[in-house]
Amino acid sequence: DAMVIQNPRYQVTQFGKPVTLSCSQTLNHNVMYWYQQKSSQAPKLLFHYYDKDFNNEADTPDNFQSRRPNTSFCFLDIRSPGLGDAAMYLCATSRTAVEKLFFGSGTQLSVL
Amino acid sequence: AQSVSQHNHHVILSEAASLELGCNYSYGGTVNLFWYVQYPGQHLQLLLKYFSGDPLVKGIKGFEAEFIKSKFSFNLRKPSVQWSDTAEYFCAVNAQSGGGADGLTFGKGTHLIIQP
Repeated sequence: DAMVIQNPRYQVTQFGKPVTLSCSQTLNHNVMYWYQQKSSQAPKLLFHYYDKDFNNEADTPDNFQSRRPNTSFCFLDIRSPGLGDAAMYLCATSRTAVEKLFFGSGTQLSVL
Repeated sequence: AQSVSQHNHHVILSEAASLELGCNYSYGGTVNLFWYVQYPGQHLQLLLKYFSGDPLVKGIKGFEAEFIKSKFSFNLRKPSVQWSDTAEYFCAVNAQSGGGADGLTFGKGTHLIIQP
């Protein structure tokens, strides 16, 4: 059974049109992460939540925001997607910040 | 901030060959080290991890890795690869700080192809 679920699997948006990617987990983990992975590159951490505490990476553009309304759900909002934001977006969870990550299948975002 | 480098972006081996994938990290403090694997069409999953203790760790599917602190390395090994090991392999580091830990920093990955 899927434990970290990302919807949709593929998302197409227009240049400048806000888009939201969703992630849910059935593991009751404290930590949820959003990674961006471009083709042939390493997954890059955008931000993570430890419970309700939001931790933004220093080089994450302001265009990217996140919400975690409860333990199970976390959203990635891209306010004005540019062509360079086309990528695979990976959600992951872990019970604590030092334990292994469980990844979702990702959402492949295309920007037209 | 920590960084991770993986030496080989593409590796092609024949079945039954031995495998070693290099990984080096840069960080002066205490780290946790991981190898993740991504099989074609699947999500990232953990192969093995090192937190402390015996620097030689064994993971799933016959993989092992050795932490050599003096070399800042955490190389992945398997004595005899199989066709089903074809995948992308990522080394990752999680630096411990202030009693907690930062998020994972990944290397760029090594694409491993096993030829029958």
